[in-house]
Amino acid sequence: DSGVTQTPKHLITATGQRVTLRCSPRSGDLSVYWYQQSLDQGLQFLIQYYNGEERAKGNILERFSAQQFPDLHSELNLSSLELGDSALYFCASSVEGEQDPQHFGDGTRLSIL
Amino acid sequence: GENVEQHPSTLSVQEGDSAVIKCTYSDSASNYFPWYKQELGKRPQLIIDIRSNVGEKKDQRIAVTLNKTAKHFSLHITETQPEDSAVYFCAASYSGNNDMRFGAGTRLTVKP
Repeated sequence: DSGVTQTPKHLITATGQRVTLRCSPRSGDLSVYWYQQSLDQGLQFLIQYYNGEERAKGNILERFSAQQFPDLHSELNLSSLELGDSALYFCASSVEGEQDPQHFGDGTRLSIL
Repeated sequence: GENVEQHPSTLSVQEGDSAVIKCTYSDSASNYFPWYKQELGKRPQLIIDIRSNVGEKKDQRIAVTLNKTAKHFSLHITETQPEDSAVYFCAASYSGNNDMRFGAGTRLTVKP
C-alpha cells in the first residue's frame, strides 16, 4: 500500500460526458501529480500541484483540468470525453517536489464507450 | 525541456542471468534519477533512485549507475527471477524545471 488513494477504481461512461477522478496523497506529502497511461504505453505527465498551487503542466488537454484543495486532496476533471481518453489515470504524491520519490496510487481505469 | 530515452523497449532473459536497461537524458542540469517497476495492471513502484552526487547505488540484486559526463544511467538486475518480469521506467528531473520526465519503458521478461 503506497498510502495514495484514488477513487473510483473503475469508471465507464460515454463519449461527450464529464467525469471527476479523485486522489488523496500520502499523509505529509504536499505535491500531487497526475499521469495518463494508455494501453501498453508509457506514463504521460499531465499536471502537478504543490500545496494547492499549480506547479507544472505537461501534455494536458484543454478539456482536462485539475485542482488541489486545502486538505491537499486533488481532483482531475475530464470533459467532452472521447474514445481516445480511455486509459489508466494515475495520481502520485511526493513530500515536496520533483526531487523527491513519487508514490503512486492504484489508478482509475476509465473506459469510454 | 528534458528528454529521456530508454533502451531496449523489450528484453528477454533466462532466469539467473543479468538484465541491463539504459537511459539517456538531454538536460545536463538533471540531478535526480528514479527507476520504477510496473507489474501488469498495477501501479508503478519506486525500486531505486540515484542523485547526481553519486555514481552508483546498490540494493540487493538491483543497482543503478550514473555517468554524468555521458548523460546516461543504467539499471542492473542480477540473478533475475520470474517475479522480476515487469515494465521498468526510468525518469530524470532537476529542481529548476518542476517536471519529471519518464522514459518510454522496458518490458522485461524473465524465462524460468
